[in-house]
Amino acid sequence: GEDVEQSLFLSVREGDSSVINCTYTDSSSTYLYWYKQEPGAGLQLLTYIFSNMDMKQDQRLTVLLNKKDKHLSLRIADTQTGDSAIYFCAEVPGNTGKLIFGQGTTLQVKP
Amino acid sequence: KAGVTQTPRYLIKTRGQQVTLSCSPISGHRSVSWYQQTPGQGLQFLFEYFSETQRNKGNFPGRFSGRQFSNSRSEMNVSTLELGDSALYLCASSLRVAGVGYNEQFFGPGTRLTVL
Repeated sequence: GEDVEQSLFLSVREGDSSVINCTYTDSSSTYLYWYKQEPGAGLQLLTYIFSNMDMKQDQRLTVLLNKKDKHLSLRIADTQTGDSAIYFCAEVPGNTGKLIFGQGTTLQVKP
Repeated sequence: KAGVTQTPRYLIKTRGQQVTLSCSPISGHRSVSWYQQTPGQGLQFLFEYFSETQRNKGNFPGRFSGRQFSNSRSEMNVSTLELGDSALYLCASSLRVAGVGYNEQFFGPGTRLTVL
């Protein structure tokens, strides 16, 4: 089946690290994605990871993938107030081209 | 390079009416996908068009339809609008080369549809 689950809310202090977790169900997903949505805006691709990788680092972002448990996480180092947004993880089952999104995690960054 | 554009940005309709939303993909992109975003259901895939053909379809009733033109621009249509159709409709374009591979989808700002 196709299902992606995320926690709904995370609050951190500015300068701390944020970790957003996600579980997915479709083992045929070759790529897994993290998108960011700011108020009134569309979706912006933050980063992605190929399914045969365990980790990917991109500046302040670190993606960890546990393929056995179908668990994906996004770590944001030195979180800033500008990082406040909704973060979605998404999978693309097989070669369908359709993104299956989680419910989104609202990240609140307190100064 | 211009991004994905969607028109109109905001729309108010009444129950029973129909609506057409438009999406212009990034130049050179041949795939256009549509998503519906609501507070209750989140982001849900509607359909994908590639080379003027519908390639994938989500679990939406037949009132939701779409098409793609030879210049890759796409429209989606919702007939007999219901209150529950109020949502942000997002369009995304990609290169979408056939076969397995990384395929970044670039999203437009969306059309906010309100059904009264």
